[in-house]
Amino acid sequence: DGGITQSPKYLFRKEGQNVTLSCEQNLNHDAMYWYRQDPGQGLRLIYYSQIVNDFQKGDIAEGYSVSREKKESFPLTVTSAQKNPTAFYLCASSTTTQETQYFGPGTRLLVL
Amino acid sequence: GESVGLHLPTLSVQEGDNSIINCAYSNSASDYFIWYKQESGKGPQFIIDIRSNMDKRQGQRVTVLLNKTVKHLSLQIAATQPGDSAVYFCAAAGYSTLTFGKGTMLLVSP
Repeated sequence: DGGITQSPKYLFRKEGQNVTLSCEQNLNHDAMYWYRQDPGQGLRLIYYSQIVNDFQKGDIAEGYSVSREKKESFPLTVTSAQKNPTAFYLCASSTTTQETQYFGPGTRLLVL
Repeated sequence: GESVGLHLPTLSVQEGDNSIINCAYSNSASDYFIWYKQESGKGPQFIIDIRSNMDKRQGQRVTVLLNKTVKHLSLQIAATQPGDSAVYFCAAAGYSTLTFGKGTMLLVSP
């Protein structure tokens, strides 16, 4: 089955802790994205990557970091610098940045 | 920067009615538009897309209309069913990546 997987489905973060959200795709897409969605809100772009070993900041990159070492994988780290991390995190991929993005099932991050 | 907006945050319809969800965009250079459906707790799902060389495109029970003159697009859902209850949002191909609207919640009552 082709698609995008995200893990875990739920993630709990303690104060001062860094946590990493996983995103994997087997669609052979070059571009990958991370979004944050707060209740009743739209999607806000955190980071995106157009190609392996390259990524750009989105609208709300502060407190987050990413890497793109493999075409299939685009992990997101929520650092302790992100003071309000509780949200629903969505990963997406597309052939190019101007084409349809396909989304994973999301990871809900909660703070203990 | 570019903005994409929905006209109504919530739309309530009766089962069997036709639903129309609207979206406006600001970038006149946008040439590709997509509608997504997001059910509670899930990732957005692609519904239908349209390129700027078209003004109408039909899918299964859904139609997208594009009016480039007023920078407006709409999603029409025929014979709305309870399973259509979700948040719908549009996206426009913009300056670098897609720009997403905030969404309209469609509530379908029996």
